[in-house]
Amino acid sequence: QKEVEQNSGPLSVPEGAIASLNCTYSDRGSQSFFWYRQYSGKSPELIMSIYSNGDKEDGRFTAQLNKASQYVSLLIRDSQPSDSATYLCALDDYKLSFGAGTTVTVRA
Amino acid sequence: DTAVSQTPKYLVTQMGNDKSIKCEQNLGHDTMYWYKQDSKKFLKIMFSYNNKELIINETVPNRFSPKSPDKAHLNLHINSLELGDSAVYFCASSLGPGDGYTFGSGTRLTVV
Repeated sequence: QKEVEQNSGPLSVPEGAIASLNCTYSDRGSQSFFWYRQYSGKSPELIMSIYSNGDKEDGRFTAQLNKASQYVSLLIRDSQPSDSATYLCALDDYKLSFGAGTTVTVRA
Repeated sequence: DTAVSQTPKYLVTQMGNDKSIKCEQNLGHDTMYWYKQDSKKFLKIMFSYNNKELIINETVPNRFSPKSPDKAHLNLHINSLELGDSAVYFCASSLGPGDGYTFGSGTRLTVV
């Protein structure tokens, strides 16, 4: 089983809608989780980190962590065309292990 | 002022050649990494250095040799390049465990 699994997408949402991205992981001991955004041809950029169960909000982004169910999710509210990118889920187990990414397209 | 800088940005070379990629960070981070992103966009760690000491070597062919002259620099030398080495190589740095990484802009290596 892969260490980090993401819903593979691609995901297409209309402008103004909520984009929902999910990620599951296999290592129950994982403590630190991250969401990165990668525009085409660019490097990954950290957008959210979450360490404890529950929700963490930052602007239009909300990360949710449930350690008992071993999943972490990212909600993008009021999606904008500039949110079109690949979103990478990652967990830190002495190194960052990434999921395969979910490509999001926001339709104007 | 770029936080993590890599050079060169693009590298096109023939099979069998040897090439190097350089990385520097000015964030004061203790740990630096090399990641490879393949054509399917999957990011996989290759090496990690903490304050000049190698701490992670993820079953990478020994044609790849990292070198860290000081904690702000991490270089990657690749011998006898193969077609399968074509990928984007990212350098990254972090303060330490649990801290998010800052990535460089990447080096797109094409082996022909």
